[in-house]
Amino acid sequence: AQSVTQLDSQVPVFEEAPVELRCNYSSSVSVYLFWYVQYPNQGLQLLLKYLSGSTLVKGINGFEAEFNKSQTSFHLRKPSVHISDTAEYFCAVTKNSGYSTLTFGKGTMLLVSP
Amino acid sequence: GAVVSQHPSWVICKSGTSVKIECRSLDFQATTMFWYRQFPKQSLMLMATSNEGSKATYEQGVEKDKFLINHASLTLSTLTVTSAHPEDSSFYICSAPSPQGAGGELFFGEGSRLTVL
Repeated sequence: AQSVTQLDSQVPVFEEAPVELRCNYSSSVSVYLFWYVQYPNQGLQLLLKYLSGSTLVKGINGFEAEFNKSQTSFHLRKPSVHISDTAEYFCAVTKNSGYSTLTFGKGTMLLVSP
Repeated sequence: GAVVSQHPSWVICKSGTSVKIECRSLDFQATTMFWYRQFPKQSLMLMATSNEGSKATYEQGVEKDKFLINHASLTLSTLTVTSAHPEDSSFYICSAPSPQGAGGELFFGEGSRLTVL
């Protein structure tokens, strides 16, 4: 079975500061990794994904993540956050290609203050 | 890009009544859709997989008779919460796989907040 651990339930940060949201996974097979963002009372929007190739993945809104197989991590980073980045962020993993369900972490609430 | 839409976005109902939530893929066909439930400050919990033309596949612990799923067409899946009770109050989200298929990317609806009084 696969699992996802998001180590921080909440990350407060000041505007224009850098941020890293941590994600670790466990799986006995190769996985695909995703980060989703959820704004209040909305569905999830894909930020970025790692399927194969370069371990540094760039996504929307200036976010990026690095896949580290040896540390089974897929941490999300942004060099300078905005107030509008305040949202819940979910890391997710799937072991299958094609149509498959995802296993989600519990989420990290990013709180950006002025 | 592909869009998935849910309706209604919020609903309030009395205990004992049934509520239907619709999930539509607007610009692509989806033979499979997924229904999730999200409690406050919690992650998404997969409830069931909706399959067009066949029965839904429910996750362990999800009551099939409580949460009726019908995948009526290639663009529509519905979730009916039957005889709703206050403990069924939650945020329900549907998703559909990318038409490209690769990597398991899912497109999510906006969610439907159910409040049972």
